[in-house]
Amino acid sequence: QQQVRQSPQSLTVWEGETAILNCSYEDSTFDYFPWYHQFPGESPALLIAIRPVSNKKEDGRFTIFFNKREKKFSLHIADSQPGDSATYFCAASLASSGQKLVFGQGTILKVYL
Amino acid sequence: GGIITQTPKFLIGQEGQKLTLKCQQNFNHDTMYWYRQDSGKGLRLIYYSITENDLQKGDLSEGYDASREKKSSFSLTVTSAQKNEMAVFLCASSILGDQNTLYFGAGTRLSVL
Repeated sequence: QQQVRQSPQSLTVWEGETAILNCSYEDSTFDYFPWYHQFPGESPALLIAIRPVSNKKEDGRFTIFFNKREKKFSLHIADSQPGDSATYFCAASLASSGQKLVFGQGTILKVYL
Repeated sequence: GGIITQTPKFLIGQEGQKLTLKCQQNFNHDTMYWYRQDSGKGLRLIYYSITENDLQKGDLSEGYDASREKKSSFSLTVTSAQKNEMAVFLCASSILGDQNTLYFGAGTRLSVL
């Protein structure tokens, strides 16, 4: 059973466009929602994260939008650059389980010039 | 800063073989994890260890054993390698009070002939 679902599986945008990556979850007790990115040949690294107390978190060109009622959250990458090309994983943390992270399947983002 | 070292980087095994993957971290982190990464399936948790003498099963623990030898090291054993199995195994660590931020190693790429 996949607790965290991610879409699309792959996404291609042109330089300068906004890339939108989506995630949904099932368990309403999840209380922490990070996004990790993984560049080719490298290991995943934390990009940005949000807690349900707010519905938006910004860090430069990266913004998380969070909808608690619909149990969805998304990552918007504004002014996409070729250097943003990577695999992006959303995740959710289940506090009652010792805060272990449950990851989505990943979205492969390609940004073309 | 710190580093997570996984050995070996590449591991080729035979069907039915018992294989051991090693992970060392010098962050002085309490919690360590083993994730398996398969294309299109994201990162799935195999085992984790909250503190030095702890061992917890993840969602994918069947077919694996783990050992937390000391605070800085966490080993994973594939008890019986499956023919044609190919995956990347990622070790990660985190601070006990901030188990939501994972720091990953470079991974061990397993191929079973």
